[in-house]
Amino acid sequence: GQSLEQPSEVTAVEGAIVQINCTYQTSGFYGLSWYQQHDGGAPTFLSYNALDGLEETGRFSSFLSRSDSYGYLLLQELQMKDSASYFCAVRDSNDYKLSFGAGTTVTVRA
Amino acid sequence: SQTIHQWPATLVQPVGSPLSLECTVEGTSNPNLYWYRQAAGRGLQLLFYSVGIGQISSEVPQNLSASRPQDRQFILSSKKLLLSDSGFYLCAWSRTGITGELFFGEGSRLTVL
Repeated sequence: GQSLEQPSEVTAVEGAIVQINCTYQTSGFYGLSWYQQHDGGAPTFLSYNALDGLEETGRFSSFLSRSDSYGYLLLQELQMKDSASYFCAVRDSNDYKLSFGAGTTVTVRA
Repeated sequence: SQTIHQWPATLVQPVGSPLSLECTVEGTSNPNLYWYRQAAGRGLQLLFYSVGIGQISSEVPQNLSASRPQDRQFILSSKKLLLSDSGFYLCAWSRTGITGELFFGEGSRLTVL
């Protein structure tokens, strides 16, 4: 099976930088994904890392270290609209399922 | 372009009543299909996934079942709902093969009373 750990809450001010860490344990690993979910809405895909290193997409970046079973999502130049829950998810190499962490609630203050 | 729809968006059901949630995907063929449930303020729990017609994998023993009668249709059912079945149900699809990108439907919020 899989287990993922991420912080439950993070609070920051507009314009700040937030890093959400995710550590995982899985019998077989294929990749790490990140999703954003606004209150009452459905999750939307942000990024996917299958190889070690940093992937940058606009203000958001995602990092993976396979040897450390660790990744993070970096949110830069925080805006009020970034207030949401963020989930890491792992793809097991043995099948097609995607298992999610419990989520990190990010609150952006003015 | 690909789209995913699920319905109904909201429903309130009494304990012991049946349930049927439907999900359809358009604009792609042979997608992988998923049903997740999310309790209030919690993460996403994978319930079922399917890689083809009639192929259903169950992740958690539940009072629920899933079926895939057509390539792009995924149905979640229950014969008798329990209070613990309340939650936000999300259908999702991904492209064939191994990928980390899921596309979610709008969700169905179920309250069992």
